[in-house]
Amino acid sequence: DAGITQSPRYKITETGRQVTLMCHQTWSHSYMFWYRQDLGHGLRLIYYSAAADITDKGEVPDGYVVSRSKTENFPLTLESATRSQTSVYFCASSEILARGYNEQFFGPGTRLTVL
Amino acid sequence: TQLLEQSPQFLSIQEGENLTVYCNSSSVFSSLQWYRQEPGEGPVLLVTVVTGGEVKKLKRLTFQFGDARKDSSLHITAAQPGDTGLYLCAATNAGGTSYGKLTFGQGTILTVHP
Repeated sequence: DAGITQSPRYKITETGRQVTLMCHQTWSHSYMFWYRQDLGHGLRLIYYSAAADITDKGEVPDGYVVSRSKTENFPLTLESATRSQTSVYFCASSEILARGYNEQFFGPGTRLTVL
Repeated sequence: TQLLEQSPQFLSIQEGENLTVYCNSSSVFSSLQWYRQEPGEGPVLLVTVVTGGEVKKLKRLTFQFGDARKDSSLHITAAQPGDTGLYLCAATNAGGTSYGKLTFGQGTILTVHP
């Protein structure tokens, strides 16, 4: 089915371990985004990508790495997980519409706990 | 970085009541969106407003964009338990190259009791 999927849905890891969260979309959208959601902070942008091999930092990029070798995939890696990275992570995709704004479509989220 | 302030942060009402959620900023937006999020799911777009003074209706939900494009409101008439969820406003900066980036407000948690 068409859509945007994230895996895993739940992950528990330990401090210092590397973790990769996967995001896959079937719409061939150009733009993809990673957010983290924490109580009281809404959604904060970690990284975004305008196309394959084009990525840039968002509001809270420290401790995260992204890549986008294919249009449909946008993995997010925590190089050395810390407790402060315990959060719910959402991936989103979109196309820019004619007037310059976009409608983002979100995945179901990954709940990450760092012990 | 523009700051979007939503109010109230929490809203607990009885079925049938009306409510309004506000989204304010000192910056001018090129567009503003409202999303709704249910527990365990990602946000889902409800509406996009792009013109100052614009009003859009979606069944019992009315969305308004301020004349100066700095604020927006979401009004729900005769709330139902199915309206329960987290409501998020999100905006695109006016001018420049934003690559479609959105800035989100911190959200309003709405609970509608039967």
